[in-house]
Amino acid sequence: DQQVKQNSPSLSVQEGRISILNCDYTNSMFDYFLWYKKYPAEGPTFLISISSIKDKNEDGRFTVFLNKSAKHLSLHIVPSQPGDSAVYFCAALALNTGNQFYFGTGTSLTVIP
Amino acid sequence: GAGVSQSPSNKVTEKGKDVELRCDPISGHTALYWYRQSLGQGLEFLIYFQGNSAPDKSGLPSDRFSAERTGGSVSTLTIQRTQQEDSAVYLCASSFSWSSTEAFFGQGTRLTVV
Repeated sequence: DQQVKQNSPSLSVQEGRISILNCDYTNSMFDYFLWYKKYPAEGPTFLISISSIKDKNEDGRFTVFLNKSAKHLSLHIVPSQPGDSAVYFCAALALNTGNQFYFGTGTSLTVIP
Repeated sequence: GAGVSQSPSNKVTEKGKDVELRCDPISGHTALYWYRQSLGQGLEFLIYFQGNSAPDKSGLPSDRFSAERTGGSVSTLTIQRTQQEDSAVYLCASSFSWSSTEAFFGQGTRLTVV
């Protein structure tokens, strides 16, 4: 059973516009969330994270929003750049119950120049 | 299997002991990689396999770390003489090939060295 879901397998955005990647989860015990990105021929790299005590975390062009009541998080990239084209994975874990990671299946973002 | 499977899910070991972490990738996936994640830090790449060979071992933190893969399937990450700084979540992932954009991660093994 997929506890973390990324329902959009792909997304295309024009350069300079906002990219919004969505992620839903089902387990209310999750209290820490992360985003990773993966370029072809490279392993995934950590991008940004958020704890459940926050509803927003910002790092440069990347902002993650967490809506605990909706069990939903999103990654905003503003402005989008062609170099952002990659696959983005969200992940969740419950810090007090085993610290296991649950990953979504990824969203492939294409930023069109 | 349906997904990447890692075992054990949790491991507590005494400092100085050896541990083995296992990863069973998705059937048919030729690329397999190991990472570790310490809370608050980025995902640290350790090693990857293409088939049974590991072209890049540069990510292994020290010579106490080794990994092997047999039959192009199951991989084992071994940590000898564990230290407290080895405590982390060890993640395994697999993909159809190294150049694939899709990667599927296991749930990780949480290693605690006491």
